[in-house]
Amino acid sequence: AQSVAQPEDQVKVAEGNPLTVKCTYSVSGNPYLFWYVQYPNRGLQFLLKYITGDNLVKGSYGFEAEFNKSQTSFHLKKPSALVSDSALYFCAVRPSPTGYSTLTFGKGTMLLVSP
Amino acid sequence: KAGVTQTPRYLIKTRGQQVTLSCSPISGHRSVSWYQQTPGQGLQFLFEYFSETQRNKGNFPGRFSGRQFSNSRSEMNVSTLELGDSALYLCASSLWAGGPTPKTDTQYFGPGTRLTVL
Repeated sequence: AQSVAQPEDQVKVAEGNPLTVKCTYSVSGNPYLFWYVQYPNRGLQFLLKYITGDNLVKGSYGFEAEFNKSQTSFHLKKPSALVSDSALYFCAVRPSPTGYSTLTFGKGTMLLVSP
Repeated sequence: KAGVTQTPRYLIKTRGQQVTLSCSPISGHRSVSWYQQTPGQGLQFLFEYFSETQRNKGNFPGRFSGRQFSNSRSEMNVSTLELGDSALYLCASSLWAGGPTPKTDTQYFGPGTRLTVL
């Protein structure tokens, strides 16, 4: 069975500084990896995904993520944080190939960006 | 293009009652999945539907059921509500049509239905 770990419940950064939200995964076969963001009282918004190809994936709102197969990691990054980036971030995995579209999510990491 | 819509947005029920939640996917999307989000358990998969057929089911009791209609709209039902069913119920839709997952398959989520069981 697949699993996702987000080792930090909370990440604090100052506005303008780079940010990293960590994610590691466990899955048999090649993974499909996703990052979503959730603002208060909202659903999940898709940020980016890794399917195959380049290990550095660029997504929405200036976010990017680096896939590292040897470390089974898919960390989310942004060069310069904004206060408006403060939200709950989820990493998710889907094994490939699969007969299902089901995502397995990590517990989430709360990102707090201070002015 | 309109996003995934869920109705109602908020519900308050009492223990023992039943509830039906509705989800309308993005136009053209035929795959619909449901997830339960709670502070303690995080996001947990409930069901996945494609073309009116349940393709996958999570580890939830039989009180949780769902269905999909020919227009891809989906409903989930929870019978005999318990306090622990209080959660945000999220619906997601995607273009995926089965088989090896294509690159286009991203799940897009609705705003959720907040269910409170008293």
